[in-house]
This record gives sequence, structure tokens and C-alpha cells, in this order.
Amino acid sequence: EVQLLESGGGLVQPGGSLRLSCAASGFTFSSYAMSWVRQAPGKGLEWVSVTSGSGAATYYADSVRGRFTISRDNSKNTLYLQMNSLRGEDTAVYHCAKDVKALRVRGAWADVWGQGTTVTVSS
Amino acid sequence: DIQLTQSPSSLSASVGDRVTITCRASQSISSYLNWYHHKPGKAPKLLIYAASSLQSGVPSRFSGSGSGTDFTLTISSLQPEDFATYYCQQSYSTSWTFGQGTKVEI
Repeated sequence: EVQLLESGGGLVQPGGSLRLSCAASGFTFSSYAMSWVRQAPGKGLEWVSVTSGSGAATYYADSVRGRFTISRDNSKNTLYLQMNSLRGEDTAVYHCAKDVKALRVRGAWADVWGQGTTVTVSS
Repeated sequence: DIQLTQSPSSLSASVGDRVTITCRASQSISSYLNWYHHKPGKAPKLLIYAASSLQSGVPSRFSGSGSGTDFTLTISSLQPEDFATYYCQQSYSTSWTFGQGTKVEI
């Protein structure tokens, strides 16, 4: 069974850091691009970042570029999101999602999602 | 960034109703439009990809249509498990964007 399980969320003060993990199983992890998508309280889904299957290519939303870093360890089938300089507006449930292609190309979609991990930024 | 505007933002419906949700893009995105539904505390689920292709395992009561800037998701006969929030998402650009969501409730 294809599965994604996020972890690492919690309460952090503004300006602090947190690293999220997403453990993947049931598919050839290195063959697919992986994304992070978040949902702030009372808001809709917002795409955050994506990394290619090899990890060589990464893209970020303007709202997190320069503060967040996406990475992956294909030997451990795990996706990461390092979040620095956290702000109140980063409070959200963070989902990881599997793309259907190895690269973020036009016409892709996410066919498997995790349930998410909650990040709260507050003093 | 490409903006997606869904309508309505919410709707009330009954089991068995036919439901239609629209999604309008701020520029032409060809058929690079996907639909998901999401229930609180659960993983979002892919319903339709490439505007009109039904994801494997998704019931045939779901259908999608459209191209260019105007798209539609239709549920032919609403079931109890379909009460959720529905999102369109464009994959024309590298930076994905989602619509603001349509909450389908009783």
C-alpha cells in the first residue's frame, strides 16, 4: 500500500526553526517528485515546495523562499522540510504529496497525500 | 502567479443531488487542471486529473470538463461520503496554485 506519514510538527516561537519529515512506503520513492502543501487554519490549500526525484531540482512558493529548504534522502525513503525564521502565518497543517512524475513538469498532479503534521508558530 | 477562482465558495445539498462546481483561471491553462477533495484531519484525495480524466478508484459519479480558463467538476448523485471541501489546482506552471475551495455541506 502506498503511504505517506508526516512527523515533526509542534509549537515553535516566532523566528524559530523546525524540521518536518515525511516517510514514504509502497512505491519507488526516488522515481517521483515530492511536494509539501499546507493548510492554514480556516484557509485553503497552499503549495509550498517541490523536489525532483533525484533531489537535484527544487522550487519554492514566494511566501517561503529563502526561509524553507526542501530535501530528500532516497536511501531512507524520506522527504524533509527545514523551516527557519518561522512566522505566525506559517501556522498550518503541512501535508506531503507524491507527484506522478520524477520532475515538476507542466501537467503533473499529486496522486497520494499524507494526513499532515501540525505546525503552530506562537509565543 | 496563476489565480484560480472557484464558485460557489460553499453550497448546501442533499444526498442524491447533482452538484456542479466551477473553477476559472486567470489565464489559459489548457487542460492542466486537477480536482481534489479534502475532509478535516484527512489526506486530500485526487479525483480528476488533466481536466477530465477520472483517477483510478474514484467513483464514476465524479466527472470533470473544460479547457482554457473555465472548468467544471460535477457530482451526478451526491453521496454521504462526498460532503467535503473541493479544490481545483493548476499544473500549467511549476508553482502550483489551488482554488480557494468549495465546501459541500448538508
